[in-house]
Amino acid sequence: ETGVTQSPTHLIKTRGQQVTLRCSSQSGHNTVSWYQQALGQGPQFIFQYYREEENGRGNFPPRFSGLQFPNYSSELNVNALELDDSALYLCASSRGGVRNTGELFFGEGSRLTVL
Amino acid sequence: DAKTTQPPSMDCAEGRAANLPCNHSTISGNEYVYWYRQIHSQGPQYIIHGLKNNETNEMASLIITEDRKSSTLILPHATLRDTAVYYCIVREWDTDKLIFGTGTRLQVFP
Repeated sequence: ETGVTQSPTHLIKTRGQQVTLRCSSQSGHNTVSWYQQALGQGPQFIFQYYREEENGRGNFPPRFSGLQFPNYSSELNVNALELDDSALYLCASSRGGVRNTGELFFGEGSRLTVL
Repeated sequence: DAKTTQPPSMDCAEGRAANLPCNHSTISGNEYVYWYRQIHSQGPQYIIHGLKNNETNEMASLIITEDRKSSTLILPHATLRDTAVYYCIVREWDTDKLIFGTGTRLQVFP
C-alpha cells in the first residue's frame, strides 16, 4: 500500500509567479485535503476535494485553487505569489468522502520559498 | 481557531511512559479527537483517533474522559525517536478540517 506522495519536495519562486504542487493520495483513498504550514506554526486548512469537487475551504484567498482528478490525485495552484506564501504545503488523504471518521494520512510536503 | 489546549513542552525519560494531556472543552458530540506528531518539519504522522471510547494501537493509547472535555495520549515506552511536536486536534464535523493548535514539544532524554 503506497503512502501519500507530493512533488516537488522543494522549490523557489519569485513574487508574482504562479506555482503548481502535486499530490498522489494513498491507495484506496478518495478524499484529499491541503494544508499550509508556516515556519514555527501548526498546519492551516486550505481546502478539501472529494469526487473532483471542492467541499470545504479555509480562510485562504481565491488565488489558492485546486483540482482533483479521476484517479483521486490532486493539485494545488497558487497565483500571484506573495512573500508570505513561503511555507510547507501538506497534502492529506483519507477514505470515505465528506464527514468520514477514519484516519487521515499526510505526505512529506512541498517546501515553497518565495523571494 | 484551535479547539484544543496543550502544554507547550514536556520531558520524558527513555523507557518510561509519556502522558500528553489535552483539553478540548468545547468539543461537539460528533467531533473526533485526533493525535499527530511532527518531526523536523516532516509531514505530520498519524498516531491515533477516537470519539468517546478509549483506543489503543501499536503506537499509543488514547484515553478520553467521560465528559469528553479532555484526553491523554500515552506512549507506553518512550524512545529517543519519539522526540517530536505532538498535536491534539479536534476534527470539525461540518467541514472535516483538522484544526491544529501549537502542540506539545516532547523531549525524550536518555
